[in-house]
Amino acid sequence: QQQVKQSPQSLIVQKGGISIINCAYENTAFDYFPWYQQFPGKGPALLIAIRPDVSEKKEGRFTISFNKSAKQFSLHIMDSQPGDSATYFCAAKGGGYNKLIFGAGTRLAVHP
Amino acid sequence: DAGVIQSPRHEVTEMGQEVTLRCKPISGHDYLFWYRQTMMRGLELLIYFNNNVPIDDSGMPEDRFSAKMPNASFSTLKIQPSEPRDSAVYFCASRQGPGELFFGEGSRLTVL
Repeated sequence: QQQVKQSPQSLIVQKGGISIINCAYENTAFDYFPWYQQFPGKGPALLIAIRPDVSEKKEGRFTISFNKSAKQFSLHIMDSQPGDSATYFCAAKGGGYNKLIFGAGTRLAVHP
Repeated sequence: DAGVIQSPRHEVTEMGQEVTLRCKPISGHDYLFWYRQTMMRGLELLIYFNNNVPIDDSGMPEDRFSAKMPNASFSTLKIQPSEPRDSAVYFCASRQGPGELFFGEGSRLTVL
C-alpha cells in the first residue's frame, strides 16, 4: 500500500530527445508527488512537484503528468541534455504519513 | 544558509568498530530524517525526528543502529558494532513543516 513503483530502472536517450520516467502508487490518500534529481556524489535535490488537483505541471524542460484515476504520474524531460544525466527518484506523501516514500530510482544517461 | 551539513563525507572502518555519523540540519527546520542508500535497496528511511523527538524508527535495521537528536541543530546516527553489510551512503535531510525536503551530501561508509 505504501510502495511507489518506478520504471524504467535505467534509460539511455540521445541529446535532444525526450526522457520519460513513470511511477505508480497504491495509496489514494497520497497528495504530494515530488521528483528528485541526484548527481553522483551528491544528495537528492527537489526538481519539481505536483499535487493531485492538477493534471500537469511544467517547469522549463521538465513536466510532470499526473493521472489520478490510474494512480500514475510521470516525468518528461524535453530536449534532453548531457547535463541531465543523473538518477531520478519519484516520491509520494500524504494521508497522515509524514514521510516521503521513494521509488527505486531511474538512472538516466543522455548521450551527445 | 549552508544547507544540511554531514560529516564525515567518507568513513572506512573495520568490522566490529563503532561508527558515528553527524548531521547539522538547516536552521529553523523542525523535521530531520536519516536515509540509507544502496544499489540493492535504493533510498530507505531509517528514522525521523520532529522537534528533536524521534517519531518513527521503524526503518532502523536492528539494535546495532541508534540515532539521537540532542538539540535542534545536531543529530547523530551510530552503528555499533558495524558490519560489512552496513556499507552504504547515509543521508541526512531536513525540512520545515510540510515544506521541501533538503538533503545533505551524504556520508559514504565502507565497513571492511
